[in-house]
Amino acid sequence: AQSVTQLDSQVPVFEEAPVELRCNYSSSVSVYLFWYVQYPNQGLQLLLKYLSGSTLVKGINGFEAEFNKSQTSFHLRKPSVHISDTAEYFCAVSPWGGGSYIPTFGRGTSLIVHP
Amino acid sequence: EADIYQTPRYLVIGTGKKITLECSQTMGHDKMYWYQQDPGMELHLIHYSYGVNSTEKGDLSSESTVSRIRTEHFPLTLESARPSHTSQYLCASSDHGGDTEAFFGQGTRLTVV
Repeated sequence: AQSVTQLDSQVPVFEEAPVELRCNYSSSVSVYLFWYVQYPNQGLQLLLKYLSGSTLVKGINGFEAEFNKSQTSFHLRKPSVHISDTAEYFCAVSPWGGGSYIPTFGRGTSLIVHP
Repeated sequence: EADIYQTPRYLVIGTGKKITLECSQTMGHDKMYWYQQDPGMELHLIHYSYGVNSTEKGDLSSESTVSRIRTEHFPLTLESARPSHTSQYLCASSDHGGDTEAFFGQGTRLTVV
């Protein structure tokens, strides 16, 4: 079984400031890692994913995330946020190498960008 | 354009009514899911399907049922709606394999009064 912990329920930040959204996971098997974004009244859409290889992955809209296996973390970062980044962000894991391949999601972090 | 559609977007209905939330995808994905989303809570998996005639219950106990008669269609039915069913319901689909992303519909916000 897998679980995902997003440590911050809400992160307020000023426009053009850097931001980090934290995600930790636990799993008895190896996992793929994902970040999704949900804008108001919309479904979730993929920001980026880590499958293998370089631990730093780049996604859309200037976001990047770093996989840290020893700390079982996959934190999301952006060096300079924009008002339009205000949204809900979800971290998710999906098992590989045997398993149901059903993704497990965290409870989300609300990023609020102030002008 | 490949996409996943949910209808209705919003639904207000009285207690005891039977309702069906529709979900269709045009991507030919084998796997489909229903999640329940409440503010500040994890997305809870309530049903999933690996393909036609395959349906499984998820982690969250639910009084709803699903069917998968066609690859593209995965409706969710509540036989008798209750106020405790008030929530946002998200449908998603993905290709086989854990390395593929899930594609989500825009959701149905259900209010049972």
